[in-house]
Amino acid sequence: DQQVKQNSPSLSVQEGRISILNCDYTNSMFDYFLWYKKYPAEGPTFLISISSIKDKNEDGRFTVFLNKSAKHLSLHIVPSQPGDSAVYFCAASAREETSGSRLTFGEGTQLTVNP
Amino acid sequence: DTGVSQDPRHKITKRGQNVTFRCDPISEHNRLYWYRQTLGQGPEFLTYFQNEAQLEKSRLLSDRFSAERPKGSFSTLEIQRTEQGDSAMYLCASSLRKNTEAFFGQGTRLTVV
Repeated sequence: DQQVKQNSPSLSVQEGRISILNCDYTNSMFDYFLWYKKYPAEGPTFLISISSIKDKNEDGRFTVFLNKSAKHLSLHIVPSQPGDSAVYFCAASAREETSGSRLTFGEGTQLTVNP
Repeated sequence: DTGVSQDPRHKITKRGQNVTFRCDPISEHNRLYWYRQTLGQGPEFLTYFQNEAQLEKSRLLSDRFSAERPKGSFSTLEIQRTEQGDSAMYLCASSLRKNTEAFFGQGTRLTVV
């Protein structure tokens, strides 16, 4: 049961343009969402997060949008830079007090930003 | 503090051998997690500690896997009688409290031959 899904395995954009990465979830108990970036042979690096009480969070070039009714979130990167090329993971944690904030990850999207 | 530290970075072992990995979390973080990642997949949760207490274990964590966090500081993950299917990247993460970002270490790449 894949509770967090990233349906696009890869995305290619031109430098300076917008990158939009999408993520869908099925568990209505999820109340906190995060995006991580991962380079080969390294651990994931935290990018940005959003609580379910918000629908938008912005940090520099990165903006995350949350649509709770559609159980969908997206990450916008503007403008995209070649150094943004990496695998991006969407992750979510549930409301249950005993879950300890464990994260459920999507499969990842490989972003390639072309110069 | 430079972040979450994992040791070793790489481990190659023969099938049937035991291996142990170490994780040093960010010092003020009381929550520590172990995840496993295989090629083409996102990290999968294995187990979670709050201070020294192991509060949750995934069904992915078979009897051959054991994790400890003595004194609520560093943690170890041991795999006994390794199998080829155990080959993966093992990731450790720590966080300060619920619904805050978890910071990951660089991982331990295990190859079972």
